[in-house]
Amino acid sequence: TQLLEQSPQFLSIQEGENLTVYCNSSSVFSSLQWYRQEPGEGPVLLVTVVTGGEVKKLKRLTFQFGDARKDSSLHITAAQPGDTGLYLCAGAGAGGTSYGKLTFGQGTILTVHP
Amino acid sequence: DTEVTQTPKHLVMGMTNKKSLKCEQHMGHRAMYWYKQKAKKPPELMFVYSYEKLSINESVPSRFSPECPNSSLLNLHLHALQPEDSALYLCASSQGWGETQYFGPGTRLLVL
Repeated sequence: TQLLEQSPQFLSIQEGENLTVYCNSSSVFSSLQWYRQEPGEGPVLLVTVVTGGEVKKLKRLTFQFGDARKDSSLHITAAQPGDTGLYLCAGAGAGGTSYGKLTFGQGTILTVHP
Repeated sequence: DTEVTQTPKHLVMGMTNKKSLKCEQHMGHRAMYWYKQKAKKPPELMFVYSYEKLSINESVPSRFSPECPNSSLLNLHLHALQPEDSALYLCASSQGWGETQYFGPGTRLLVL
């Protein structure tokens, strides 16, 4: 069974602050997705990272995939109240019975106060 | 267009009712998924269809019955559910099995 440990579980910050969310595993993933979810809605894809060491930027969000494809981070610069939500990392299994299945982190509930 | 649609958005049913959830995508994706999500928890995989054939059943109780009538549609038939089945049910699709999954908005189910 693959595990993906996501931290922190909760994050409450003021507008304008920076933050980083981490996802770590002992398993190798073929790709890793980051999603953002509002209450009662489905997860919305933010990014997919595939190559070890890859860095992708989406406006104020920076995503990194570890060299060994076992970990990832999400960094938000100058957070805004509109960034509030549940952030989920999800790794796609690389082989065997885990192939293609998404292993989700437990999620990070981010609250950005005005 | 990366849209997956789900109907209904909300559903309230009794334990003796039969109802169905519907999911649709027109992206030409060949893999479709059903997930169950409890509040403040990550989604849990229930079923995977690849090329309209059931590929994975994650030991889901038989009161949940999936159906894939064609490559664009995915149904989840519900019968004799329990209150603990109340959750957000999410549909997702991907170009192929193992590729990036796109989620629908979900159906909020309440079993009384």
